[in-house]
Amino acid sequence: DGGITQSPKYLFRKEGQNVTLSCEQNLNHDAMYWYRQDPGQGLRLIYYSQIVNDFQKGDIAEGYSVSREKKESFPLTVTSAQKNPTAFYLCASSPIETGFREKLFFGSGTQLSVL
Amino acid sequence: KQEVTQIPAALSVPEGENLVLNCSFTDSAIYNLQWFRQDPGKGLTSLLLIQSSQREQTSGRLNASLDKSSGRSTLYIAASQPGDSATYLCAVRQTDRMDSNYQLIWGAGTKLIIKP
Repeated sequence: DGGITQSPKYLFRKEGQNVTLSCEQNLNHDAMYWYRQDPGQGLRLIYYSQIVNDFQKGDIAEGYSVSREKKESFPLTVTSAQKNPTAFYLCASSPIETGFREKLFFGSGTQLSVL
Repeated sequence: KQEVTQIPAALSVPEGENLVLNCSFTDSAIYNLQWFRQDPGKGLTSLLLIQSSQREQTSGRLNASLDKSSGRSTLYIAASQPGDSATYLCAVRQTDRMDSNYQLIWGAGTKLIIKP
């Protein structure tokens, strides 16, 4: 089945620790996105990538880093500089061609909590 | 700056009722608006997409309308079922150009509970 796989489903971070959230897609989509979801707030864009080896900051990139070495993979690292990392993290992908960009597909999310 | 608001934050109705969810946006110059569904602890699924030139879109028991002049969209759910229980989010896109305004602006969602 085609789709987006996020892992792990739950992740705990100790103070001062960097953690990496995995996102893999087999939809052959060019664009991939990372969103942060907090209770009572809309989704906020952390980073996005439209092509391999290129990515752009979203609205709340501070304290996060990403890489896009392969089309299928877009891992997100939550660094120790992110002082309030507890949130639900969603990865998404979409085609890039005009007329198909609206087809946004989401993974099932990773809940990150601080110990 | 575009802001998207969804009121109420939560709604509980008996099974079988028709209901309306609201989405408001502050800047009427939008490219399109989407409605998504999110089940607890899960990702989002796109339900309906309305282009700025359209007034409404329908899919099964769902009907979404768009009134750009008033900055409002509604999602109408007919004959609600317990399986409709989820959080419903709307999101606005302001341009088709791949620039900083291309990204979606999200509402916080309405949590819907359908009581059997």
